[in-house]
Amino acid sequence: DTGVSQNPRHKITKRGQNVTFRCDPISEHNRLYWYRQTLGQGPEFLTYFQNEAQLEKSRLLSDRFSAERPKGSFSTLEIQRTEQGDSAMYLCASSFTGDQPQHFGDGTRLSIL
Amino acid sequence: AQSVTQLGSHVSVSEGALVLLRCNYSSSVPPYLFWYVQYPNQGLQLLLKYTSAATLVKGINGFEAEFKKSETSFHLTKPSAHMSDAAEYFCAVSERGNEKLTFGTGTRLTIIP
Repeated sequence: DTGVSQNPRHKITKRGQNVTFRCDPISEHNRLYWYRQTLGQGPEFLTYFQNEAQLEKSRLLSDRFSAERPKGSFSTLEIQRTEQGDSAMYLCASSFTGDQPQHFGDGTRLSIL
Repeated sequence: AQSVTQLGSHVSVSEGALVLLRCNYSSSVPPYLFWYVQYPNQGLQLLLKYTSAATLVKGINGFEAEFKKSETSFHLTKPSAHMSDAAEYFCAVSERGNEKLTFGTGTRLTIIP
């Protein structure tokens, strides 16, 4: 069990650029979740997958955001045409089943210049 | 809809004193409840979870929480604070069959030497 791995840890980009984050869950975990955490707040749910199927998306996930988990293993979260308000920590979590607790990665901190 | 309220965004206790972090929840169905801890620039680590078994839940690092349905509360306690307990603590709720977590805004715990 090597834990949930997220890359990169930090991303600085200019407004309007596209960014992509990667999450590698704990092996054999079939559920994968994305959350966003802004400064001084708790994480907010964005979306989650069971295997390769995206089962739920939050209203926070605008059309500039897209998440994939093509082979049911790692996942990517892409933000197109980044805006100042996208600056946040993006957290990934995984779990074995819906009843098992979610294990979080260390996150990707996005800063928009 | 489900929600979590954490009373007190900042709590300070002396080393060796009792730690009490408050959490009240709202859920239309019997909830799953969690406490997570977050250290600076890291992801969230699960402290403990309640899933309708025993109402008093013991977690890691000497923490425990008691589920009180009549008060819709799930407060976190630790008998004797240690310097290493200084961190941000998040209470979270999840409805049965709906795995996304809804977090509170967090409580920053400071330990006074």
